[in-house]
Formats: sequence, structure tokens, C-alpha cells
Amino acid sequence: TQLLEQSPQFLSIQEGENLTVYCNSSSVFSSLQWYRQEPGEGPVLLVTVVTGGEVKKLKRLTFQFGDARKDSSLHITAAQPGDTGLYLCAGANDYKLSFGAGTTVTVRA
Amino acid sequence: GAGVSQSPSNKVTEKGKDVELRCDPISGHTALYWYRQSLGQGLEFLIYFQGNSAPDKSGLPSDRFSAERTGGSVSTLTIQRTQQEDSAVYLCASSLVASPDTQYFGPGTRLTVL
Repeated sequence: TQLLEQSPQFLSIQEGENLTVYCNSSSVFSSLQWYRQEPGEGPVLLVTVVTGGEVKKLKRLTFQFGDARKDSSLHITAAQPGDTGLYLCAGANDYKLSFGAGTTVTVRA
Repeated sequence: GAGVSQSPSNKVTEKGKDVELRCDPISGHTALYWYRQSLGQGLEFLIYFQGNSAPDKSGLPSDRFSAERTGGSVSTLTIQRTQQEDSAVYLCASSLVASPDTQYFGPGTRLTVL
């Protein structure tokens, strides 16, 4: 049983479209992280959100942490083929990370 | 390179055989983590080492799994009497201090048990 549920599991969109990935949990975390993983590589950290209600923007990526610190979303504006990958959310308590199963995003040129 | 390295990148073994997976963390990183990523699943925490402290083994799925970290650097994950359900990608991560915020992942070892 996953501690964190991600949706959707798969997402295929055309270049230039927007997308949102959701990460939900019944547990409260001290922080929540988003990673992107490409085939044959380990996950790479994109962002950490700590405060309930926090919104962080990295270029075309917007990350939001829910007020209760149990859920988060990742929004990509004007997606590009380079955004293709597996997006993972992970909740942190102390040094341990609990990962969701991931959302596979494919951006078609 | 200065990143986390893992070897081998791929390992195919027969059911019942033992395997050893190696992780070379980033130099100077005191914390080291092992995770398992099965198909369609997120990363599952296996074990954590921090300096000279006793490791946190709470994520190891059975007593067939063990890990050690020699000299506070290189780590080896050993799986004895491998089973088909052990097939997965095994990922290692290291961080400068014990923090989830600064874990750097290696490329993983893909283990296939026939």
C-alpha cells in the first residue's frame, strides 16, 4: 500500500499544453519533494516544499503544498518534449522518504 | 565524475543464487540510503547508514537482505537465495548530512532473477 497516491498514473499530451500531477496522502509530512526520473537514471530532485499552502515556481513548473501538508500538486505550463519523464512525489519525516508510485509524463512534439 | 556510482548497472541471476550490489557515494557524504524500485511502484526505503551510528534496517523486506558500509564510504547490499520477486531496480543515494532534502541518487542496478 502506497503512503502517497499519485494521479494520474500516465499522462500523454501535445507540446504546448498544460498538465497537472497530483500527490495525496492521509499522513502529514514535515516536507514534500518532487523528483523527475529518466530511464536508466536515478531520481533528480526538482523542489522541496515545507510550509502548508506554499507555492514554488521553477520556470514553467509550479509546485503547491496543501494547507494541511498532506497533499501537493505539480503544474507544468506549455509543456515541452524535454519535460518527458517519471515524476515522483516523496513525503519526508526525519531522514526517511516515502515515495508515490509516480506519474509517467509523455510530451509529444 | 563526482556523483553516486553503482555497480553493476545490470545483473541477471538464477533463483537461489546470492548477489552483491555496490554503491560508491559522493565523497564526504556521511549518510547513505538504499531503495528498491519495482515496476509500477515508487521507491521503497530499505536501509540507512549515518556515520558510525547503527544503521536503520527497518525497510529490509526479509533476512535474506543485508547491507554493510565499510570505512564510512562504499556500501554493499547483499541478497541471499534470490527469489523472482527480488527483481527490481536497486537505487543508492547519499547526502552530506542526514536530511531528506539533499539526497543524490545513483543510476541504480537493475536486478533480474530468472
